[in-house]
Amino acid sequence: NAGVTQTPKFRVLKTGQSMTLLCAQDMNHEYMYWYRQDPGMGLRLIHYSVGEGTTAKGEVPDGYNVSRLKKQNFLLGLESAAPSQTSVYFCASQTTEQETQYFGPGTRLLVL
Amino acid sequence: GQNIDQPTEMTATEGAIVQINCTYQTSGFNGLFWYQQHAGEAPTFLSYNVLDGLEEKGRFSSFLSRSKGYSYLLLKELQMKDSASYLCAAMDSNYQLIWGAGTKLIIKP
Repeated sequence: NAGVTQTPKFRVLKTGQSMTLLCAQDMNHEYMYWYRQDPGMGLRLIHYSVGEGTTAKGEVPDGYNVSRLKKQNFLLGLESAAPSQTSVYFCASQTTEQETQYFGPGTRLLVL
Repeated sequence: GQNIDQPTEMTATEGAIVQINCTYQTSGFNGLFWYQQHAGEAPTFLSYNVLDGLEEKGRFSSFLSRSKGYSYLLLKELQMKDSASYLCAAMDSNYQLIWGAGTKLIIKP
């Protein structure tokens, strides 16, 4: 069991460029989440999914889009990167809504 | 609004005991989680409380008082590997986790 994996681990973008972050889980979890973590702040929810084919907005969704075409994968897209999106991005998954969330190793994104 | 408060940083000595406090205000409440996060790594689950009282798990214990909106994480027999950030998160009525900024724990020999 690999658990939750994220690709890539680190990326540098120029302002205006686009990219997709991939999250994959092999635990057959229904729920998946994308968070961002910035210094001095708690984890903030960007988007989440309660099952294949569903997505919903979290606390800070602007500038991001997501897709959950397959149960095991949750993609986070940045259409036009901005320096304010420099952050560490974590993906998490869980079986049901009141259970423990399991986190991927994170993607460090720097937007210049 | 929804809010989680926990100290920014704490220092303790190897072998000692430390208590990390967390207060929360959420719209509804479905439990309180504690996670550990080593620098540069992902958060990992430590404990979950939904009822009042103390839950003990080895060297770590977690306490919850729902009426006071208060929790603490107690770490005993501190080891150098316990140096990490400890994240408090409360689950609201929509089952969303509201996260604190984390408490950085520094262990000195």
